[in-house]
Amino acid sequence: EIVMTQSPATLSVSPGERATLSCRASQSISGNLAWYQQKPGQAPRLLIYGPSTRATGIPPRFSGSGSGTEFTLTISSLQSEDFAVYYCQQYNTWPRLTFGPGTKVDIK
Amino acid sequence: EVQLVESGGGLVQSGGSLRLSCAASGFTFSSYGMNWVRQAPGKGLQWVSYISGSSSTIYYADSVKGRFTISRDNAKNSLYLKMNDLRGEDTAVYYCARDGSGTYGHWGQGTLVTVSS
Repeated sequence: EIVMTQSPATLSVSPGERATLSCRASQSISGNLAWYQQKPGQAPRLLIYGPSTRATGIPPRFSGSGSGTEFTLTISSLQSEDFAVYYCQQYNTWPRLTFGPGTKVDIK
Repeated sequence: EVQLVESGGGLVQSGGSLRLSCAASGFTFSSYGMNWVRQAPGKGLQWVSYISGSSSTIYYADSVKGRFTISRDNAKNSLYLKMNDLRGEDTAVYYCARDGSGTYGHWGQGTLVTVSS
């Protein structure tokens, strides 16, 4: 099983600042990585896949990069609605997928 | 508009059984693989099971294999998860999610399953 790790576990950021979240795979997953945002009491929402293609309706302040085992999600200027938990997910072994443990982005 | 609505969750004793349902609308249900994903309270996401559009291909996570059964009824636009021999570690919100070759662009709101000892 491919194990996904994310860092940091918690990221404290002020509104308007840039946030950079990292995700690492235990073995190469090529570009088969997605990012999800989850707010309390809600289902996850797909943000980015492939690993740099924004899903429908996702604003351009969200961007993804990386390949192989190292990936990054960047939120260029944090808005109030962006404070949430972010999960990375590999689908190289589709349909058996694995998620990272999440990074919580909270208000500094 | 794609909609997925889960139901069937609740409180069940350890060793008991439960059947979850997911009602789909807004798309051609039989054309899509479907998944169950769960999230234990305060924890991360775990893929549970996948079923192809025709039901010809089915996969399970090792943690539920032999205890859970995924199925679908394309005539009723519905997805199911029969859960037997439930354990405390199965306590979670269970989501159905439409498959997009590995990415989940559409999720239900989830249904909570609580297994008590």
